[in-house]
Amino acid sequence: GAGVSQSPSNKVTEKGKDVELRCDPISGHTALYWYRQSLGQGLEFLIYFQGNSAPDKSGLPSDRFSAERTGGSVSTLTIQRTQQEDSAVYLCASSLVRDRGKAFFGQGTRLTVV
Amino acid sequence: DQQVKQNSPSLSVQEGRISILNCDYTNSMFDYFLWYKKYPAEGPTFLISISSIKDKNEDGRFTVFLNKSAKHLSLHIVPSQPGDSAVYFCAASATSGTYKYIFGTGTRLKVLA
Repeated sequence: GAGVSQSPSNKVTEKGKDVELRCDPISGHTALYWYRQSLGQGLEFLIYFQGNSAPDKSGLPSDRFSAERTGGSVSTLTIQRTQQEDSAVYLCASSLVRDRGKAFFGQGTRLTVV
Repeated sequence: DQQVKQNSPSLSVQEGRISILNCDYTNSMFDYFLWYKKYPAEGPTFLISISSIKDKNEDGRFTVFLNKSAKHLSLHIVPSQPGDSAVYFCAASATSGTYKYIFGTGTRLKVLA
């Protein structure tokens, strides 16, 4: 596709269940980012992938959160044993590293933990 | 510790007037700054950026000013249009880092017709 695609667009899950959020970046973009936006908050950095380098995981809020990027393309963000405070919009973005700043965001996945 | 701050959660401006959105940062390692615009139910879209080697960057109706000594940047929109109504996020990154962007909490701009 032409843009960053995220699925699902909405996810309601019960507390304690695991969820997987998917991101398809723009083809050829070597950098991929995950952010989340909680209600009334700004965008909180979670994790950054760049090519084959080790990802920057410094923003992951707990060890219940993990992410992987297979083949330098699709990325999956996994949240284990979800808690109500995990409810947020999870945003994925991709960019060409040499084109700093022009990260393209997907429409996000709205996660609601009940 | 919030490294990028947007202290005004909202701003209302009359159509045709200038909108000024402000952003402050604390990390002196930041050397690249961006503004994103976000409409409801959509992902943020890149608007304009500025490198720390400049103090101004202009793109059409949008101008970003950077004051490194004050660790402050601002986005000017002139003239403001109703379609500019959105949430505006300021973001910063450091060349020495992993290019991750640190975002502010956003300012909701409402342009009144």
